[in-house]
Amino acid sequence: DTAVSQTPKYLVTQMGNDKSIKCEQNLGHDTMYWYKQDSKKFLKIMFSYNNKELIINETVPNRFSPKSPDKAHLNLHINSLELGDSAVYFCASSQRDNANTGELFFGEGSRLTVL
Amino acid sequence: LAKTTQPISMDSYEGQEVNITCSHNNIATNDYITWYQQFPSQGPRFIIQGYKTKVTNEVASLFIPADRKSSTLSLPRVSLSDTAVYYCLVGDRVSGGYNKLIFGAGTRLAVHP
Repeated sequence: DTAVSQTPKYLVTQMGNDKSIKCEQNLGHDTMYWYKQDSKKFLKIMFSYNNKELIINETVPNRFSPKSPDKAHLNLHINSLELGDSAVYFCASSQRDNANTGELFFGEGSRLTVL
Repeated sequence: LAKTTQPISMDSYEGQEVNITCSHNNIATNDYITWYQQFPSQGPRFIIQGYKTKVTNEVASLFIPADRKSSTLSLPRVSLSDTAVYYCLVGDRVSGGYNKLIFGAGTRLAVHP
């Protein structure tokens, strides 16, 4: 069973379009994240949700809107796509408490290509 | 959050021990040190975490000196499948700093036959 699953794995679209990436985790974690990995391989955090509540928004353009319908799901919607949005987007989850290492469990990534 | 510095790349051969050192001069009292591994086209995967001294698991060992300003990930007897990018991170794992973990450029390890 896949712990953190993202769909779609690949997404090719035109500038100006709106697209969504979905993420689900079956680990029972209370915190989920979206990271962006650019062509230079830097992984940058975009958003973090804890029990459906937004706790981190790292200066991401408001064209990006995360939505967490429940603590097992965190979707990412992107409006008016731009060339610079091309990247691999990773979803992750973790359990925040003293009994755990805080380890992040990542999905396999969704490669977005904007033409 | 403490910034980390690690070598951009390293080369090794099968069967050798590989040590990757990371410096984190501004590490805070509550920060833990964590290492992740990333293969091409996959998400990063947790390898090991420590606070001080030495930690060992089935995959690697983590050496942390008393001042905690650096740490060394040790991979025993590497194989070709250990070719990956290795990231060193520091953060407070519970109170909130861990939620903003910043991944640097990592160290690209290439293992040769």
